[in-house]
Amino acid sequence: AQTVTQSQPEMSVQEAETVTLSCTYDTSENNYYLFWYKQPPSRQMILVIRQEAYKQQNATENRFSVNFQKAAKSFSLKISDSQLGDTAMYFCASNSGGSNYKLTFGKGTLLTVNP
Amino acid sequence: EPEVTQTPSHQVTQMGQEVILRCVPISNHLYFYWYRQILGQKVEFLVSFYNNEISEKSEIFDDQFSVERPDGSNFTLKIRSTKLEDSAMYFCASSDWDKSYQETQYFGPGTRLLVL
Repeated sequence: AQTVTQSQPEMSVQEAETVTLSCTYDTSENNYYLFWYKQPPSRQMILVIRQEAYKQQNATENRFSVNFQKAAKSFSLKISDSQLGDTAMYFCASNSGGSNYKLTFGKGTLLTVNP
Repeated sequence: EPEVTQTPSHQVTQMGQEVILRCVPISNHLYFYWYRQILGQKVEFLVSFYNNEISEKSEIFDDQFSVERPDGSNFTLKIRSTKLEDSAMYFCASSDWDKSYQETQYFGPGTRLLVL
């Protein structure tokens, strides 16, 4: 079984600054994937970034990047140059790859970007 | 851009009543999912569906729950006899695969179910 833990229920950041959201996970799988999903207010969850566990290089998507520490089972999300539109609930999630695609989620971190 | 849609956005029902939550996945997707989030708790997997049958279900998905794809476009979740503890936000998701054989799940906006 997989577990995902997000220890920061809420965070805030000033516009244009950088913020890091934390996530730890536990799994007995060798092949797994990690994800960050964003859910803006009253909107659906959308995928922000994904990391394959077998890749050592940290994933990046424009202003979003991850710090994947496999030994520590840590998967943090860094948002650079924060924008007002980044205000959302952020969920860390994992799945075990192979033929098992169900996602296991953390409780989420509510990020507020202040002007 | 195609989106997963869900109806209704809110549903209030009496304990013991049947409810059907509806989802329209993205049209060329083949895998479908239901998740739920009880207020203040994590989003939890309920069931996955592929090739017109359940591919995996969680312990939550007991005999009171069922899913079907009645007409090739809709994907429904039925709760036969609702309980107070079924009150939650229910999310539908569908997925496809990219050229790198990576699956991405696209989520609907959710249906908030309140059982009184």
